[in-house]
Amino acid sequence: EVQLVESGGGLVQPGRSLKLSCAASGFTFSNYYMAWVRQAPKKGLEWVATISTSGSRTYYPDSVKGRFTISRDNAKSSLYLQMNSLKSEDTATYYCARHGYYDGYYHDVMDAWGQGASVTVSS
Amino acid sequence: ETVLTQSPTTTAASPGEKVTITCHASSSVSYMHWYQQKSGASPKLWIYDTSKLASGVPNRFSGSGSGTSYSLIISSIETEDAATYYCQQKSSDPPKLTFGSGTKLEIK
Repeated sequence: EVQLVESGGGLVQPGRSLKLSCAASGFTFSNYYMAWVRQAPKKGLEWVATISTSGSRTYYPDSVKGRFTISRDNAKSSLYLQMNSLKSEDTATYYCARHGYYDGYYHDVMDAWGQGASVTVSS
Repeated sequence: ETVLTQSPTTTAASPGEKVTITCHASSSVSYMHWYQQKSGASPKLWIYDTSKLASGVPNRFSGSGSGTSYSLIISSIETEDAATYYCQQKSSDPPKLTFGSGTKLEIK
């Protein structure tokens, strides 16, 4: 069974940093692109970052580029999100997600999701 | 950047009714993915590549569309279908994943 378990969420002051982790199991982690998606309270889904299988390629939307860093440790089957210079608008539940791989290609679809980690940015 | 606009924002239907949720893309795209999110839960992949049902999705669900207009159709609503549904696409230049704003489905 595919499992993604996020940790590291909490309350943090504006301008400070926080690092989220995601422990993966039930599949060969190193074979999949991975992503972070967030959801502000009572709002929709927003893609935050994607990382390639080796970690050599990363992608971000403008809203977090330069502040957030996605990384992975394939030996530990773990995904990370380092969040710096946090703002109140970063308050959200952060989901770890697996990108799909089928028909011999990597796809943007996200076929497995964790339960989410709550991040609150407030003084 | 492709913007996805979902309609309706909210809809209510009685068990047995047919429901159609639409996702309009600001520019032509070649596929659409859909996710289901129940209250207090994580999103789940529901339909991918426009019309392929994810594992475990009942066949009363279907997806269709092309170009700038895509739909998620439920042929006969059941109470368990109450959820918010999001469409999702990818832009290539720059690479960016985009979600629609969601459609909340309520059961009467």
